[in-house]
Amino acid sequence: GENVEQHPSTLSVQEGDSAVIKCTYSDSASNYFPWYKQELGKRPQLIIDIRSNVGEKKDQRIAVTLNKTAKHFSLHITETQPEDSAVYFCAASTGNRDDKIIFGKGTRLHILP
Amino acid sequence: GAVVSQHPSRVICKSGTSVKIECRSLDFQATTMFWYRQFPKQSLMLMATSNEGSKATYEQGVEKDKFLINHASLTLSTLTVTSAHPEDSSFYICSAHMRTNEKLFFGSGTQLSVL
Repeated sequence: GENVEQHPSTLSVQEGDSAVIKCTYSDSASNYFPWYKQELGKRPQLIIDIRSNVGEKKDQRIAVTLNKTAKHFSLHITETQPEDSAVYFCAASTGNRDDKIIFGKGTRLHILP
Repeated sequence: GAVVSQHPSRVICKSGTSVKIECRSLDFQATTMFWYRQFPKQSLMLMATSNEGSKATYEQGVEKDKFLINHASLTLSTLTVTSAHPEDSSFYICSAHMRTNEKLFFGSGTQLSVL
């Protein structure tokens, strides 16, 4: 089955700098890669997703890149702000509605003042 | 955006009792719902996949007689933790697939504490 590895587990970034979180996956059939942000005690929220027919997707300060050959994808947050502090999870799925989404272990992002 | 409602948000119960958690998709039909367990500072661990009108599919290591899942309609799935014990204490979260696309929306979670 699918296995998703996520690094780093913890990341501290100065406010205004960029943060990058990287994930790798094992199942070449996976073609849907969402990213979730989870604040303490709250539900995960989808912040951006990418499909295998696209190499990069951007939404304001957030971007995701996908390298299907190498089976890795990354989340990039530019001009970080205090409210970006949270745990971020990458995930992978085949994209079929009945297929489970497998999550990485998460990255705790701290934005330093 | 789509809303998934999960109740209760917090449960404190005595060891040996059963606890039911409800997960509802409020404004869309969800043929598939998922149940996760999350320990503090850890990732979401998939417990089972719940399909409307059929038996749930459990992940390896998850006891189906311990965690009963019912998905009776396109908008409701329930997880019942039977004869709960302290080791069952955890944060349980459900999620639902929109029928029209593969986006996943999460409930707000249930913090279960078994004394």
